[in-house]
Amino acid sequence: RKEVEQDPGPFNVPEGATVAFNCTYSNSASQSFFWYRQDCRKEPKLLMSVYSSGNEDGRFTAQLNRASQYISLLIRDSKLSDSATYLCVVNVGGFQKLVFGTGTRLLVSP
Amino acid sequence: NAGVTQTPKFRVLKTGQSMTLLCAQDMNHEYMYWYRQDPGMGLRLIHYSVGEGTTAKGEVPDGYNVSRLKKQNFLLGLESAAPSQTSVYFCASSYPQGAVNQPQHFGDGTRLSIL
Repeated sequence: RKEVEQDPGPFNVPEGATVAFNCTYSNSASQSFFWYRQDCRKEPKLLMSVYSSGNEDGRFTAQLNRASQYISLLIRDSKLSDSATYLCVVNVGGFQKLVFGTGTRLLVSP
Repeated sequence: NAGVTQTPKFRVLKTGQSMTLLCAQDMNHEYMYWYRQDPGMGLRLIHYSVGEGTTAKGEVPDGYNVSRLKKQNFLLGLESAAPSQTSVYFCASSYPQGAVNQPQHFGDGTRLSIL
């Protein structure tokens, strides 16, 4: 089993739609969780950290479920500019050994 | 505010050639990392450094060497390039992990092709 697993997609949604991605992780001792965004042929950029109580940043909401070992990302009112690959990232060690999922691709169409 | 800068941006090498990729960060980060990204594989850690003068192996270190002579610079070397090392290489840096939730900041990548 991979340490971090994501549905590769693509998720094709129209503008204005709400879309959600899930990511599962295998190490129950994982402490830190992040969502990164990666545009085609660009570097990953931090979208948001994921906190135990869940957190929101504008149209983006992240949730953590430690019991089931998954994190989620909800995007409301999708914009064309949200088209990208979303990487689930988990810290599995004390030194910040980040493990990256292979990403979920989102395509938002007019 | 440059952040993390990688040079070069693109390079084509012949099998057996050597080269060095340079990463520089101006955020005073203690930790620095080198990753490679291949289709369908996600980012994989090659080597990392937790401070000036210290380096350690990551998940896929074979065929690579690194050095961290200055806090702001982290060099990745390929001594004898192989086609399997064709990839996109990303450098990243972060604050130490005294507290959780310290994200990594990435450079914009080096696209390396080995013929």
